[in-house]
Amino acid sequence: AQTVTQSQPEMSVQEAETVTLSCTYDTSESDYYLFWYKQPPSRQMILVIRQEAYKQQNATENRFSVNFQKAAKSFSLKISDSQLGDAAMYFCANLDYTGTASKLTFGTGTRLQVTL
Amino acid sequence: NAGVTQTPKFQVLKTGQSMTLQCAQDMNHEYMSWYRQDPGMGLRLIHYSVGAGITDQGEVPNGYNVSRSTTEDFPLRLLSAAPSQTSVYFCASTSHRRASEGGDTQYFGPGTRLTVL
Repeated sequence: AQTVTQSQPEMSVQEAETVTLSCTYDTSESDYYLFWYKQPPSRQMILVIRQEAYKQQNATENRFSVNFQKAAKSFSLKISDSQLGDAAMYFCANLDYTGTASKLTFGTGTRLQVTL
Repeated sequence: NAGVTQTPKFQVLKTGQSMTLQCAQDMNHEYMSWYRQDPGMGLRLIHYSVGAGITDQGEVPNGYNVSRSTTEDFPLRLLSAAPSQTSVYFCASTSHRRASEGGDTQYFGPGTRLTVL
């Protein structure tokens, strides 16, 4: 079974600084995606960034980038120039394709606080 | 293009009552799914569907039924609500293309907060 582990329940960063959120995963599939989702107090699940497993290049989206280490099954999120609006729960997720179905497995989340 | 919509946003039920959470998407996605989110546990898959007429169980299916009569709609039914079903429920959809085929992201609805007394 797929598992996703986020070992940091809470993180704090000062505004304009950089923070890295950790995620490890375990899957037996070769065709899969990895995602980081942001969930603000509104509860809406907002896609931050995604990484296709077959791509070696790390994904980037503006201030957000990932460090994808496929052999180590590690997928960390780096937020540069942190802003107050980045404060939220962040979930790492692994999307596996198994036959006709795809299964999205989430970690337990990391709550990010951004301080002045 | 509304994306994924869910109704209601909030619901309070008494133990033993039944209800249906509605989910609809207008992106012509084949794959739809239901998750529940509980504190400290992330999101867990309840049921999913890979197309009209096809459904299957996820990680925590007990107490829930689903059907998929159209591509657009994927309702979740609670047959006899229990306090353990108090949670936030998310519906999601994706085109279900494989990553190696230029696959797609799962899009989430805004969620339904359900309380069972």
